[in-house]
Amino acid sequence: EAGVAQSPRYKIIEKRQSVAFWCNPISGHATLYWYQQILGQGPKLLIQFQNNGVVDDSQLPKDRFSAERLKGVDSTLKIQPAKLEDSAVYLCASSRSTHGNTEAFFGQGTRLTVV
Amino acid sequence: QKEVEQNSGPLSVPEGAIASLNCTYSDRGSQSFFWYRQYSGKSPELIMFIYSNGDKEDGRFTAQLNKASQYVSLLIRDSQPSDSATYLCAVNPNSGYSTLTFGKGTMLLVSP
Repeated sequence: EAGVAQSPRYKIIEKRQSVAFWCNPISGHATLYWYQQILGQGPKLLIQFQNNGVVDDSQLPKDRFSAERLKGVDSTLKIQPAKLEDSAVYLCASSRSTHGNTEAFFGQGTRLTVV
Repeated sequence: QKEVEQNSGPLSVPEGAIASLNCTYSDRGSQSFFWYRQYSGKSPELIMFIYSNGDKEDGRFTAQLNKASQYVSLLIRDSQPSDSATYLCAVNPNSGYSTLTFGKGTMLLVSP
């Protein structure tokens, strides 16, 4: 079974530029998460999809971040315009079920550096 | 704000010893609990999950859950240098969805 795929692996942009990350979850997984992990901290949930609907985006900075999950499969996370404090690893994860008792599996992440 | 607390460490143990990693959570209604291992520069990898009070063993790993005390722990027996990593505790709050809230992680260093 293929894992969660993310691209790109690394991205360096200047502040005020825009950037997009792509995620392909494990086949058949209904739930998809985007997490932001700043160095030395645990992952922070940005947005959670169940199929193609949003169930939690309470910590997403909606003035600059947006995300979509078309047809309940792939997802894209966009930042526009980027700030220095957005430098982090952006992790995509997926889980099979919509219930709490299911494990989430992570992709390799995208390391974003904003200069 | 539902919180998950972990001692950031580092926790240093000699090879062959038992490493004990602890986690507390604020939401009393939390239902499921996960331990992830994260090597430096890598993504989190699931190693254990536990849903019921008591102990759950998997090889050298034992997860312990005490819902009354809102406390979950991970024991690693016969620690190896390859166990050196950051261990993240994740909790599914009683939100009705499969949301995971993570702690900041505890760094474990196992010395040869």
